[in-house]
Amino acid sequence: KAGVTQTPRYLIKTRGQQVTLSCSPISGHRSVSWYQQTPGQGLQFLFEYFSETQRNKGNFPGRFSGRQFSNSRSEMNVSTLELGDSALYLCASSLDPNTDTQYFGPGTRLTVL
Amino acid sequence: QQQVKQSPQSLIVQKGGISIINCAYENTAFDYFPWYQQFPGKGPALLIAIRPDVSEKKEGRFTISFNKSAKQFSLHIMDSQPGDSATYFCAATISGGSARQLTFGSGTQLTVLP
Repeated sequence: KAGVTQTPRYLIKTRGQQVTLSCSPISGHRSVSWYQQTPGQGLQFLFEYFSETQRNKGNFPGRFSGRQFSNSRSEMNVSTLELGDSALYLCASSLDPNTDTQYFGPGTRLTVL
Repeated sequence: QQQVKQSPQSLIVQKGGISIINCAYENTAFDYFPWYQQFPGKGPALLIAIRPDVSEKKEGRFTISFNKSAKQFSLHIMDSQPGDSATYFCAATISGGSARQLTFGSGTQLTVLP
């Protein structure tokens, strides 16, 4: 069974631009979570989606948003990019919100210049 | 608070030795504690996980020890190998519910010398 896939793997943007990252969960998994990983702040929870609904949101500004489609694929969007948004953005999937095990994708490395 | 504190920040072990990484948490509502292994350029991979109703769980060379009263848990890697060199993260979460989110420790960079 294929793992979690994330596209693109690498992205370079400039300040003020916006970016959209994509995540395809493991087949049959319907819950998708997003995390930001930086050297300074470590791994931090962004949000979780299930059945096209956001169930939980971390402590990030409103510039960070996401959505989930009927096929469980998810996208996250960051508007008005700041230098501090440079990070590895990780997507994790699980069968459903009641299943604890979450499987991570390889991440999208975003660099903001 | 939701913090999970992890130590040490880095660890160097000889091949065949035991690697021990410790974590402590504050939120007593946490009821699922996974450990993740991350290699450079890769996403975290689930290694082993434990719930508070057991004090120890072993899978191959990896063992989690859990002390509920002290709110601490640790990862032991027996017979450490150079291929184990990676960054290890402990995490904690509240199962199910709308508050489910993994709260991660700061990570431990493990180097196993040949």
